[in-house]
Amino acid sequence: DQQVKQNSPSLSVQEGRISILNCDYTNSMFDYFLWYKKYPAEGPTFLISISSIKDKNEDGRFTVFLNKSAKHLSLHIVPSQPGDSAVYFCARETSGSRLTFGEGTQLTVNP
Amino acid sequence: GEEVAQTPKHLVRGEGQKAKLYCAPIKGHSYVFWYQQVLKNEFKFLISFQNENVFDETGMPKERFSAKCLPNSPCSLEIQATKLEDSAVYFCASSQSQGPGQPQHFGDGTRLSIL
Repeated sequence: DQQVKQNSPSLSVQEGRISILNCDYTNSMFDYFLWYKKYPAEGPTFLISISSIKDKNEDGRFTVFLNKSAKHLSLHIVPSQPGDSAVYFCARETSGSRLTFGEGTQLTVNP
Repeated sequence: GEEVAQTPKHLVRGEGQKAKLYCAPIKGHSYVFWYQQVLKNEFKFLISFQNENVFDETGMPKERFSAKCLPNSPCSLEIQATKLEDSAVYFCASSQSQGPGQPQHFGDGTRLSIL
């Protein structure tokens, strides 16, 4: 069973500081991990992805790090902004491109 | 269009009635995916299509659930004889192609309430 786990249901940070969202996974067979952001009453919005051949991918304020030996990935947001307050999901792409999502982490950025 | 359009936004049905949900993928996207979000943050994959062909249906309940993507029509997800546990938000997503790292673009979902 190829699972992804987000063990922190919530995270609160001050505006301007760094937000670090974490995700652990089982099984070492994968192609890509993706991060999505979700606001209430909206669908998930794609943020950034990382493939198994990389250990880092950066896009503006968002950076994803992959530690294959620890089976762990993290999303860094810096600087954090109040508009970043949302639920963040990590997802792994499995066979047939289906996504398996983690449980999500509610990020709150305080002004 | 430039967004995945799901209709209706909210659907209420009595237990045992039929429910039908619709999804118009982004123009030019060949792949359509359906997910069910039962608890607040738990997504379950249901089915995917490549154009009008079923691509992966391993997540679909064997009974009561069916889905179609016909040419020149919105895709649909139909639930026969609904049960209370079918209450969920159903998300549709589309992608331009199938392959590693192709992001799926999600609609805003249909909230199905079974009374």
